[in-house]
Amino acid sequence: GNSVTQMEGPVTLSEEAFLTINCTYTATGYPSLFWYVQYPGEGLQLLLKATKADDKGSNKGFEATYRKETTSFHLEKGSVQVSDSAVYFCALTSQGGSEKLVFGKGTKLTVNP
Amino acid sequence: DAGVTQSPTHLIKTRGQQVTLRCSPKSGHDTVSWYQQALGQGPQFIFQYYEEEERQRGNFPDRFSGHQFPNYSSELNVNALLLGDSALYLCASRLTGGADSYEQYFGPGTRLTVT
Repeated sequence: GNSVTQMEGPVTLSEEAFLTINCTYTATGYPSLFWYVQYPGEGLQLLLKATKADDKGSNKGFEATYRKETTSFHLEKGSVQVSDSAVYFCALTSQGGSEKLVFGKGTKLTVNP
Repeated sequence: DAGVTQSPTHLIKTRGQQVTLRCSPKSGHDTVSWYQQALGQGPQFIFQYYEEEERQRGNFPDRFSGHQFPNYSSELNVNALLLGDSALYLCASRLTGGADSYEQYFGPGTRLTVT
């Protein structure tokens, strides 16, 4: 079945550091890929998405590119802020994008001033 | 515009008891999904409701059941609670067939503790 593997956390960075959170997936066909963020005490928020190969999703300075050849969707940000501290989840839905979300285990990011 | 709301926020139950969690979708949304998020894990899909019917189900036992009402709100029921049912239960809504139907909006969750 479909699955998502993302790098183990926690990740601790200083403000303005470069962020990479790795995510790889296993799926049949052409899944849609997502990054969700969960701030303390809150529900999940969609951060960015990509629905086909080579698409680049971006939002709030975060970017991720859908790489079908490496089945990856790594999250990057050039300069993190303290307010980016949260848990980040990589997820996918099967082809069509209307099916259930399959999530990775999450990566906790802490940014220190 | 109210987002997805869930009640209660926290709940403590004893093994063997039954629990009902409630969810109101974002205004204009007609599809509700439920997820279970164990501590330190990613959410796991339980089931999805559309037009008052269960449309898709994850790998959860029949102890987990649900309902969707004509106003699109939904309930999640769990019978014969086990310690392992302790988790954050998330509700997500979307508009089936909408331009952004892939985007699911999540509520803040209900934290269930089974003792």
